[in-house]
Amino acid sequence: KAGVTQTPRYLIKTRGQQVTLSCSPISGHRSVSWYQQTPGQGLQFLFEYFSETQRNKGNFPGRFSGRQFSNSRSEMNVSTLELGDSALYLCASSFLPDSTQYFGPGTRLTVL
Amino acid sequence: GIQVEQSPPDLILQEGANSTLRCNFSDSVNNLQWFHQNPWGQLINLFYIPSGTKQNGRLSATTVATERYSLLYISSSQTTDSGVYFCAVLNQAGTALIFGKGTTLSVSS
Repeated sequence: KAGVTQTPRYLIKTRGQQVTLSCSPISGHRSVSWYQQTPGQGLQFLFEYFSETQRNKGNFPGRFSGRQFSNSRSEMNVSTLELGDSALYLCASSFLPDSTQYFGPGTRLTVL
Repeated sequence: GIQVEQSPPDLILQEGANSTLRCNFSDSVNNLQWFHQNPWGQLINLFYIPSGTKQNGRLSATTVATERYSLLYISSSQTTDSGVYFCAVLNQAGTALIFGKGTTLSVSS
């Protein structure tokens, strides 16, 4: 089976712009989660989706949003980018929410 | 919420040495995973181990759920073992992994 894929892998944006990141889960997986990794804060949970429903959202401002499609693919959007949004954004998928989570290679976002 | 603490924060070894990484968690859990983050940032699954002991080659892990800790053993370390090792547990709602701050392992030849 193909693993979790994320696009794009690298992204450079300027302050005030918006960005959309995409995640394709492992075939058959219905749960998709997003995490932000920064040197200062470590790995922090952003959202979790199961069967197109957002079941949980981490402690992030409303500029961070996401969605899941009927084929389980997920996107996350960050509007009005700030310098502090520079991070590695990781997507994970699992068959069920409480089963083993598998991570994609990440999208490295740089905000200038 | 659940707190996850990993120790030591940094570990420097010579090739061939053995090491033990520890993960303490503050509440009972049904899901605990160990990951290795490679230099490109990807988190590689090592173990899904909410309880008991598992082994995979030179790596093994033990979780004692009643005492709220997990150990990752690396034997005969190699330079390719270098990187950051994370422990993560699922929150009570079953919707988010809570990560420790990681152990950075450096193995030199």
